[in-house]
Amino acid sequence: EAGVTQFPSHSVIEKGQTVTLRCDPISGHDNLYWYRRVMGKEIKFLLHFVKESKQDESGMPNNRFLAERTGGTYSTLKVQPAELEDSGVYFCASSQGFVTYNEQFFGPGTRLTVL
Amino acid sequence: GESVGLHLPTLSVQEGDNSIINCAYSNSASDYFIWYKQESGKGPQFIIDIRSNMDKRQGQRVTVLLNKTVKHLSLQIAATQPGDSAVYFCAVLSYNTDKLIFGTGTRLQVFP
Repeated sequence: EAGVTQFPSHSVIEKGQTVTLRCDPISGHDNLYWYRRVMGKEIKFLLHFVKESKQDESGMPNNRFLAERTGGTYSTLKVQPAELEDSGVYFCASSQGFVTYNEQFFGPGTRLTVL
Repeated sequence: GESVGLHLPTLSVQEGDNSIINCAYSNSASDYFIWYKQESGKGPQFIIDIRSNMDKRQGQRVTVLLNKTVKHLSLQIAATQPGDSAVYFCAVLSYNTDKLIFGTGTRLQVFP
């Protein structure tokens, strides 16, 4: 069974540009999460989808970040316009079911560098 | 808000020795704790978990200890091997939510 996949693995963009990250969760997983790790710091929660609905977006830094999960399958996270402080590794995770706690399986991450 | 802290950013151990990685959390109502291992180029991978109704749980070569009195969590790795080299994160399930609160990570370096 395929794990969580993320695309691209690396992205280097200039300040002011737009970048879209994609996450494909494990098939059948209703829960999808986005996290971010800025260099040397903790992994921080960004938001949580249940199917196509945003369950919790309390970790989204500001309105330059837009996450979508149309159809409840894959998700995209768009940063527009990107700023230097957006650099970091963006992780996606998925889990099944609605009972807390179901193990969250993480993807390999997308390393975003904003110059 | 809730927070999780790790005591050491880096831990160096000799192959075959035991490793202990420590973590502290802030919310006494937290009831689920997880240790993750992150190898270079990969995402965090589940190692072991523990609920607040336990104070110790063992896996294969790993043991997690939970001290709720002082809000402290530790991961013990027995007979550390080169393949254990990675960044280790403790995480707490935020109370009444489904989101994980992570610590900053401890890089474990194993030398021969």
